[in-house]
Amino acid sequence: DAGITQSPRHKVTETGTPVTLRCHQTENHRYMYWYRQDPGHGLRLIHYSYGVKDTDKGEVSDGYSVSRSKTEDFLLTLESATSSQTSVYFCAIGREGETQYFGPGTRLLVL
Amino acid sequence: DAKTTQPNSMESNEEEPVHLPCNHSTISGTDYIHWYRQLPSQGPEYVIHGLTSNVNNRMASLAIAEDRKSSTLILHRATLRDAAVYYCILRDRPPPISGAGSYQLTFGKGTKLSVIP
Repeated sequence: DAGITQSPRHKVTETGTPVTLRCHQTENHRYMYWYRQDPGHGLRLIHYSYGVKDTDKGEVSDGYSVSRSKTEDFLLTLESATSSQTSVYFCAIGREGETQYFGPGTRLLVL
Repeated sequence: DAKTTQPNSMESNEEEPVHLPCNHSTISGTDYIHWYRQLPSQGPEYVIHGLTSNVNNRMASLAIAEDRKSSTLILHRATLRDAAVYYCILRDRPPPISGAGSYQLTFGKGTKLSVIP
């Protein structure tokens, strides 16, 4: 299995609270991604990174920001969580344009 | 991304072969065909990918039609652990410049495979 972990694995928070999810890899892969998965929508890309301090928006980036200050860590921040951001969040890593390896996911509930 | 069409669900008996179809009639010449699967309560897992030729690995085989408008993922002997949602995804080869814009995976609804003991 690819060395990719996500923390926390579960989180319950209240509307309006800032939340940061962490993705950590030990594979030294250049690319890192954040997806969310919701019933009826499948997985959708939020943001991705193609190197340290290099990030770009995905399909559903509104309300989210990311940072990548070192190769191994990719942080996803919800500045002010809303109930619509209740979801399962997956991080993925990848090499040059090929296979992506996914983490175990973080279940976030925003009350 | 080009669109793929898969059946919503399929069933297979344990230890029998399974053929999971995928139609991608608008595929372009540079689109790679990727398959991922997602077991219950887990993240997606890479299965196999190919461009034109049939491909085999330890998990499965990928048969690609000559016109590339369809493909079939073949599990040679289904086990209970193969029960999952299988996603067929087209992914374009990235341009030769930095940036990851072409690396996005667009997941559809996939095929839910049930394996009957």
